[in-house]
Amino acid sequence: GNSVTQMEGPVTLSEEAFLTINCTYTATGYPSLFWYVQYPGEGLQLLLKATKADDKGSNKGFEATYRKETTSFHLEKGSVQVSDSAVYFCALESYNFNKFYFGSGTKLNVKP
Amino acid sequence: GAVVSQHPSRVICKSGTSVKIECRSLDFQATTMFWYRQFPKKSLMLMATSNEGSKATYEQGVEKDKFLINHASLTLSTLTVTSAHPEDSSFYICSARTTTTGELFFGEGSRLTVL
Repeated sequence: GNSVTQMEGPVTLSEEAFLTINCTYTATGYPSLFWYVQYPGEGLQLLLKATKADDKGSNKGFEATYRKETTSFHLEKGSVQVSDSAVYFCALESYNFNKFYFGSGTKLNVKP
Repeated sequence: GAVVSQHPSRVICKSGTSVKIECRSLDFQATTMFWYRQFPKKSLMLMATSNEGSKATYEQGVEKDKFLINHASLTLSTLTVTSAHPEDSSFYICSARTTTTGELFFGEGSRLTVL
């Protein structure tokens, strides 16, 4: 079956620290992988995505590389800001293109 | 970017009553919308897939008669929680897939509290 596992939070970092949020998946076929971000009081927003192995998604300084050999899609950012404080969800879209599976979300707190 | 709006954002109701939550795609057409339930510290659980003009497809374990889904137009889907009970209290989120790019956009969510 399909599932996503991501590290539990909360993650608390100081501004300008390096961020890694781990995400691994199990899937049948060849899924697309996503990171969504949910800011307080808002809906989920697409942060970045990768549709095939070795693709790197990037946006707003965040990056994640689709690693088929380790079934991972870890989110990284070199220097976080207070405004990055949010909940981050890793997700996969099944190859039959109609279902998303989400991880449990990781809350990130960035302190000044 | 595309906007998906949910209404109401918060609702409190008495046990036994029914509550309707609307999900609208404001600036695009969506033949497919999805309804999720989000539990505290848990992932979003897909409840059902809603297709315009046809019956919704429910995930295993989701009661069809309890969670009525209607997708009457290309921009509106509704979720009605019938005879709500305290255990139905949760955060319900909808998403809509554009007919053009296939990208998925999420609503802000609706917090339901059943007393």
